[in-house]
Amino acid sequence: QKEVEQNSGPLSVPEGAIASLNCTYSDRGSQSFFWYRQYSGKSPELIMFIYSNGDKEDGRFTAQLNKASQYVSLLIRDSQPSDSATYLCAVNIRTGGGNKLTFGTGTQLKVEL
Amino acid sequence: DAGITQSPRHKVTETGTPVTLRCHQTENHRYMYWYRQDPGHGLRLIHYSYGVKDTDKGEVSDGYSVSRSKTEDFLLTLESATSSQTSVYFCAISEIREQQPQHFGDGTRLSIL
Repeated sequence: QKEVEQNSGPLSVPEGAIASLNCTYSDRGSQSFFWYRQYSGKSPELIMFIYSNGDKEDGRFTAQLNKASQYVSLLIRDSQPSDSATYLCAVNIRTGGGNKLTFGTGTQLKVEL
Repeated sequence: DAGITQSPRHKVTETGTPVTLRCHQTENHRYMYWYRQDPGHGLRLIHYSYGVKDTDKGEVSDGYSVSRSKTEDFLLTLESATSSQTSVYFCAISEIREQQPQHFGDGTRLSIL
């Protein structure tokens, strides 16, 4: 089992719709969770982080965390073509040498006109 | 944007040659990281540093060495480059390892022929 799993997509949504991106993780003791956006040929850009169970909203973005079920999701409201990118989920996973930030392979989002 | 500069941005070299990539930060952050990103594997940690002259291995450290002689600079060296090290390399920084998010540089695209 991969430590952080994401559906690779592509996930296609029409402009103006809600995009829902999901991520599951293996370490029940993980404490911090991050969502990055990466445009093709560019570096990952942090868009959200969440530490506590529940929802965290920032503009059109909402991160949702459920530690009991070991999943974290990202909702993008009113999706725009400029949201088309790969979204990376990152989770702090405990290892023998301490915590390390482990990335999923990303979900490609396509917002269609 | 976090003040992170990677150099060079692109490099093509031959198998067996030494290669050094540089990461320079202006944020005075304690932690610095080197990742590689390959299709199907996502971002994988090569080495990281938690202070001047303090470094440790990540999950894919074989064939790589690092040095940090100043807070602002973190160097990644491929002693004898191999074609399997063709990749995009990202440097990242964070204030605190576990809870704080990491911010990424623009990346170095390295091709080894």
